[in-house]
Parts: sequence; structure tokens; C-alpha cells
Amino acid sequence: EDQVTQSPEALRLQEGESSSLNCSYTVSGLRGLFWYRQDPGKGPEFLFTLYSAGEEKEKERLKATLTKKESFLHITAPKPEDSATYLCAVQVKAAGNKLTFGGGTRVLVKP
Amino acid sequence: NAGVTQTPKFRILKIGQSMTLQCTQDMNHNYMYWYRQDPGMGLKLIYYSVGAGITDKGEVPNGYNVSRSTTEDFPLRLELAAPSQTSVYFCATQLVQGTGWAFFGQGTRLTVV
Repeated sequence: EDQVTQSPEALRLQEGESSSLNCSYTVSGLRGLFWYRQDPGKGPEFLFTLYSAGEEKEKERLKATLTKKESFLHITAPKPEDSATYLCAVQVKAAGNKLTFGGGTRVLVKP
Repeated sequence: NAGVTQTPKFRILKIGQSMTLQCTQDMNHNYMYWYRQDPGMGLKLIYYSVGAGITDKGEVPNGYNVSRSTTEDFPLRLELAAPSQTSVYFCATQLVQGTGWAFFGQGTRLTVV
């Protein structure tokens, strides 16, 4: 069965304190891995898509990387406005192309 | 350009009542999804559709039904509501699976009492 696991569940950072979020997956035939940001009371907002091992994407203070087993979302010198829940999702060729999400990591950045 | 519109935003149902959650998109996307999100948890797939007239079950389909008669609309039907269906429901659309990201609506917060 396809599985997506995110760690840690929650992360408290001081402003400027860089850190990484992990998304590990066990799937057959990865078609794409997606990172989303979700603010309280809102729907997830797309951040990145990664398609193959070794790929990297960057946006402001965020950088996503992908290996054959996991993806990392690096937050460099975070600001309070980076506080949100970050969700990882995979789309698998053999699973009817369903988009399967992990449990998310809640990030709180304190000034 | 509204994107993905969900109605209602909030609803309280009594046990045993039924209701339909509406989802409409104006992006001409083929793929549409319904997810539920319980407090502090990730999203679980209820049903999805790859085009008008085609639907399939996700991880947690029991107690729900869907239909897709047009590209734009993908309503989710709850029959005989139960407290376990208290959740936030999100509709999402995707142009082409695996090659593009999914757009999400703002959610419907449902409470069953």
C-alpha cells in the first residue's frame, strides 16, 4: 500500500533559525511529488512539484529536494509569515493516479 | 476567474440528515477530487473523477456518493449523516494528473450533532 509519512508533526523555530521538513514515501511508480502550504481555515496552496530524484525547486526561503525515498522542504532563515502547515502529496501511476497526502508538519516561527 | 468554489462554507447537520456539498470550477480541469481533513491531520481522499461521467473511490468513500455530469461540477452527497463525518471537506481540481498541481477550494466545515 502506498504510504506518505511526514516528520516532524510540529516544529517551533525562532525567526532566522533554518530547518528541514521530511516527507518519506513508499510507492510504486512515482508520477510526481507535491508540496503545499496550508494556513488555518484555508485550503492548501501549491508550492512545488518534483518529478525525479535529484530534482530541486526554490521559492523565496523555501527549497524542496527529492530522492528515491524522500523529499525535504528546507526553510532558510524563516520569518513569522512562514508559519503554516506544510503538506506533502504523491501521485502514483499504478494507483489510479490518486493524489495521496501525508499528515503534514505544523510550523510555528516565533519573532 | 473564481477557480474552485465550494458551498456552503459552514453547515451543521443532525444525525441522519442528508446534504450535498457543492464544488464548481471554471478552469476546465479534467480531474476533480474530494478530500476530508480531520483536526490536526492530513487530507484523506474520498472520491475522485477523471472526467465527466467517470468517478472512482478513494481511501474513505463509505457514507458518501458523488456524480460528475459536467466538467465544471462535482457534488459530494452525504446520506444519513453521522458524527464521524464531522470534518472539513476540500474539493480540488487538476488539469492533468501528475503533470500539474491541484487547485483547492476554501473548504466546507461540517459538524454533525
